[in-house]
Amino acid sequence: DVKVTQSSRYLVKRTGEKVFLECVQDMDHENMFWYRQDPGLGLRLIYFSYDVKMKEKGDIPEGYSVSREKKERFSLILESASTNQTSMYLCASSSHYGYPTYEQYFGPGTRLTVT
Amino acid sequence: RKEVEQDPGPFNVPEGATVAFNCTYSNSASQSFFWYRQDCRKEPKLLMSVYSSGNEDGRFTAQLNRASQYISLLIRDSKLSDSATYLCVVTLTGGGNKLTFGTGTQLKVEL
Repeated sequence: DVKVTQSSRYLVKRTGEKVFLECVQDMDHENMFWYRQDPGLGLRLIYFSYDVKMKEKGDIPEGYSVSREKKERFSLILESASTNQTSMYLCASSSHYGYPTYEQYFGPGTRLTVT
Repeated sequence: RKEVEQDPGPFNVPEGATVAFNCTYSNSASQSFFWYRQDCRKEPKLLMSVYSSGNEDGRFTAQLNRASQYISLLIRDSKLSDSATYLCVVTLTGGGNKLTFGTGTQLKVEL
């Protein structure tokens, strides 16, 4: 079974703090993704990575950065957390050879609250 | 205009009912289509792919209409366990592994 784990289920941070969200997958997947999910807006892609040390901006990268130093680990960084970054953050991974479904496997999510 | 649009619902149906959801997509270059299911407070999981010829998986039938740019999901003989949010998902030609998600349609199956 594919397993994607995220470092925390719930996190509370103060405005201006630097926040690290960690994601680890155990299926040797090449692709990893960070999304945020908000009511009425659905899942929105923040950043993704097709390989170690590679990263691509998604649809809403502003205020975020990422790091992928090892294949199994993809970190999302909020350089200076703001209240509008309060959200559910979901990490996902998929195989580069996942045609035709490109199935993405998601972690359980991190509910981040910025006060 | 959103790339993938869905009626958010909720659709409240009795057990045993047949229910159908539609989804429209705006980009004619969309290549592949899927339905994901997300249970309350859980992560999304792939339910099924959608093909032009239509495909069936037990009580679930998915169809694609490329000319009208819409995708449908039909659930027959609804069970309480079908209660969830159903996410319509597309990929673009050349978009590789990048998925675009709709906001989801909520289904509540009641006794």
